[in-house]
Amino acid sequence: DVKVTQSSRYLVKRTGEKVFLECVQDMDHENMFWYRQDPGLGLRLIYFSYDVKMKEKGDIPEGYSVSREKKERFSLILESASTNQTSMYLCASSFTPPEGKLFFGSGTQLSVL
Amino acid sequence: RKEVEQDPGPFNVPEGATVAFNCTYSNSASQSFFWYRQDCRKEPKLLMSVYSSGNEDGRFTAQLNRASQYISLLIRDSKLSDSATYLCVVRLFTGGGNKLTFGTGTQLKVEL
Repeated sequence: DVKVTQSSRYLVKRTGEKVFLECVQDMDHENMFWYRQDPGLGLRLIYFSYDVKMKEKGDIPEGYSVSREKKERFSLILESASTNQTSMYLCASSFTPPEGKLFFGSGTQLSVL
Repeated sequence: RKEVEQDPGPFNVPEGATVAFNCTYSNSASQSFFWYRQDCRKEPKLLMSVYSSGNEDGRFTAQLNRASQYISLLIRDSKLSDSATYLCVVRLFTGGGNKLTFGTGTQLKVEL
């Protein structure tokens, strides 16, 4: 079974802090994605990566950056957390081409106070 | 107009009922379509792909209507365990690669 593991299930941070969300997948997938999910807005793509050290902006990249130094690991960084970044963050991975089959991690509920 | 639109529900149905959801998409060049299921406070999981000719997987039937730009999901003989949010996903190939757009989901509650 594909496993996508996110480092924290719940996280509470203060405004202005630098926040790291980690994601690891064990299926040798080329593609990895970061989404955020908010009530009434659905899943929105923040960044994705189709290879090591490669990254592409999604629909809402502002305030975020990413890092992919190894194939299995994709990190989301909030440079200076703000309250409007309080959300559920979901990491996903897939083979190439991604088609429609994404494997998601269990999510990180981030609260920024 | 949103790229992918779904009725948020909730759809409250008795066990054993048949229920159907629709999902409309705005870009006629969209190429592939999928239904995901998301349980409360869990991650989304692929339920089924939607093929042009329609397809079934047990009690679930998915259909595509390209002319009217919508897909549908029909659930027969609803079970309590079908209670979840159903997300419609549309794939579009752009210059930057494959783009997947998620709908906001339709909530189903199956009751005794």
